[in-house]
Amino acid sequence: DAGITQSPRHKVTETGTPVTLRCHQTENHRYMYWYRQDPGHGLRLIHYSYGVKDTDKGEVSDGYSVSRSKTEDFLLTLESATSSQTSVYFCAIKGRDQPQHFGDGTRLSIL
Amino acid sequence: SQQGEEDPQALSIQEGENATMNCSYKTSINNLQWYRQNSGRGLVHLILIRSNEREKHSGRLRVTLDTSKKSSSLLITASRAADTASYFCATDAWTGANSKLTFGKGITLSVRP
Repeated sequence: DAGITQSPRHKVTETGTPVTLRCHQTENHRYMYWYRQDPGHGLRLIHYSYGVKDTDKGEVSDGYSVSRSKTEDFLLTLESATSSQTSVYFCAIKGRDQPQHFGDGTRLSIL
Repeated sequence: SQQGEEDPQALSIQEGENATMNCSYKTSINNLQWYRQNSGRGLVHLILIRSNEREKHSGRLRVTLDTSKKSSSLLITASRAADTASYFCATDAWTGANSKLTFGKGITLSVRP
């Protein structure tokens, strides 16, 4: 989608390995969000950012960390991936008085 | 925990019919939003209704909000096969500087040609 890209789009990795997902925006929006989507749960907020170096936890933050060193990039890191973190991960961006705009997701499988 | 709960979980209708989807929530909100998700894609924003609004229209979409019952409904009129997707309601309880959405589990809509 224009303005927001997620990478990689697909990843398969093994339990215990570190994984970093990247969200990149070209809209200069202040807010960025990471969600995970699982069957039967809808979307659940992992972490969000309200500015460079300003982040906060969401509903399901355990096992995840984030960093935002510049406006355009929001990184989600799984320090030691577990099978329960197999999911589809979505990034969203939000400008002032605008709704959230989502990327197309990263499908992550942890074996 | 989920704030919004959609009903029904799945809906199958014929092209041209209207589709009505409901959402209930638990706590006070600033606004309620509906999103659509096509298979394998991200969510797309459809419509936002603020807590002081009762009804809003956008093209073939009509959304209502009843804050006394903590419920909302999304009506899609004259449905098309292209409306086949999952639909999510999301509540925004933003009270300060930071906006966060809480999503329901979604409704799967199938529109038969």
